[in-house]
Amino acid sequence: GQSLEQPSEVTAVEGAIVQINCTYQTSGFYGLSWYQQHDGGAPTFLSYNALDGLEETGRFSSFLSRSDSYGYLLLQELQMKDSASYFCAVKVRATDSWGKFQFGAGTQVVVTP
Amino acid sequence: SQTIHQWPATLVQPVGSPLSLECTVEGTSNPNLYWYRQAAGRGLQLLFYSVGIGQISSEVPQNLSASRPQDRQFILSSKKLLLSDSGFYLCAYTGGGNTIYFGEGSWLTVV
Repeated sequence: GQSLEQPSEVTAVEGAIVQINCTYQTSGFYGLSWYQQHDGGAPTFLSYNALDGLEETGRFSSFLSRSDSYGYLLLQELQMKDSASYFCAVKVRATDSWGKFQFGAGTQVVVTP
Repeated sequence: SQTIHQWPATLVQPVGSPLSLECTVEGTSNPNLYWYRQAAGRGLQLLFYSVGIGQISSEVPQNLSASRPQDRQFILSSKKLLLSDSGFYLCAYTGGGNTIYFGEGSWLTVV
């Protein structure tokens, strides 16, 4: 089976930088994704890494090291609206499918003034 | 453009009653479809996925079942609900890429 580990909660002030780590154990690994979920809403896509290295999209960056089974999401210039849960997810091989997505337990990011 | 809808948005059901949640996708053909459940303050648990009409893979043994009667329709059902079935149910799809898109979700409370 698959397992993903990420911290349960992170608190930071506006303007700060937050790094959310994710380690995974899985077979048939294709890539690592990150999703944001605000209270009461559905998760929305932030990034996907299939290859090692850093991907930057505006204030958010995501990193993957396949050899270490490790990745992180970096949130820069934190804003109050960034308060949400952040999930790492692995895309893995599935029988007769393009792949399936297994999610971690999520990290609650709390941004304070 | 591609969209996904699921309903009902909220429901309160007594223990032992049946359940039917429906999801439809528009703007894409032959999507992979998924049902996830999220308990309060927890992560997303993959329940079922489907690669085509009538093809269902179950990830977790439980008293839930899924069906795909049409290419872009996915249904989650139960004959008799348990208290532990309460949660936030999310339908999702991929079009073969690396991004999974979620519906608005259905809040189920079993009382």
